Amino acid sequence: EAGVTQSPTHLIKTRGQQATLRCSPISGHTSVYWYQQALGLGLQFLLWYDEGEERNRGNFPPRFSGRQFPNYSSELNVNALELEDSALYLCASSLYRTSLSYEQYFGPGTRLTVT
Amino acid sequence: AQSVTQPDIHITVSEGASLELRCNYSYGATPYLFWYVQSPGQGLQLLLKYFSGDTLVQGIKGFEAEFKRSQSSFNLRKPSVHWSDAAEYFCAAPLGDYKLSFGAGTTVTVRA
Repeated sequence: EAGVTQSPTHLIKTRGQQATLRCSPISGHTSVYWYQQALGLGLQFLLWYDEGEERNRGNFPPRFSGRQFPNYSSELNVNALELEDSALYLCASSLYRTSLSYEQYFGPGTRLTVT
Repeated sequence: AQSVTQPDIHITVSEGASLELRCNYSYGATPYLFWYVQSPGQGLQLLLKYFSGDTLVQGIKGFEAEFKRSQSSFNLRKPSVHWSDAAEYFCAAPLGDYKLSFGAGTTVTVRA
């Protein structure tokens, strides 16, 4: 069974540009979560999507946004990039509305570097 | 507020020696608890989970963890460490609405 996949592996952008990160969940999983892992800040929850809707978002500005497609894959968009957006962005997926919803499986991440 | 804490930032252990990583949680009810491992430049891999029932849970790669309600702990253990166990380890628990709250992580260095 294929795990969570993310693309691209690395992304280099200039300050002020926009970045788009993609995630495909495990087959059968409907929930997708995005986390940011920045140096010195640990793992922070960004966004949660399920059934095409945004269910929750963390303490991040509105320039962090995303969407979930009918096939449950997801995109994370970061507008007006700032240097501090440089981080590893991790996507995770899980089932929803079951006790297993808490069990999240992570992809390999996208390393975003803003110069 | 609900949270998980990993008191140790860095642990160095000799290959073949035992390993124990500490995790403390603060929750009112019985929590769901997880341990993840992250190799350099990689994503997180789920090692094991505790939902309820047996307080000693077995995971992958020879790891186990014990839930102790009296101590609010969920420590990760391995009897004999291999060089490939060098990585960063995260304890995690849901912080409402299924999103996970992670500890700060413990980096494990394995010396020959």
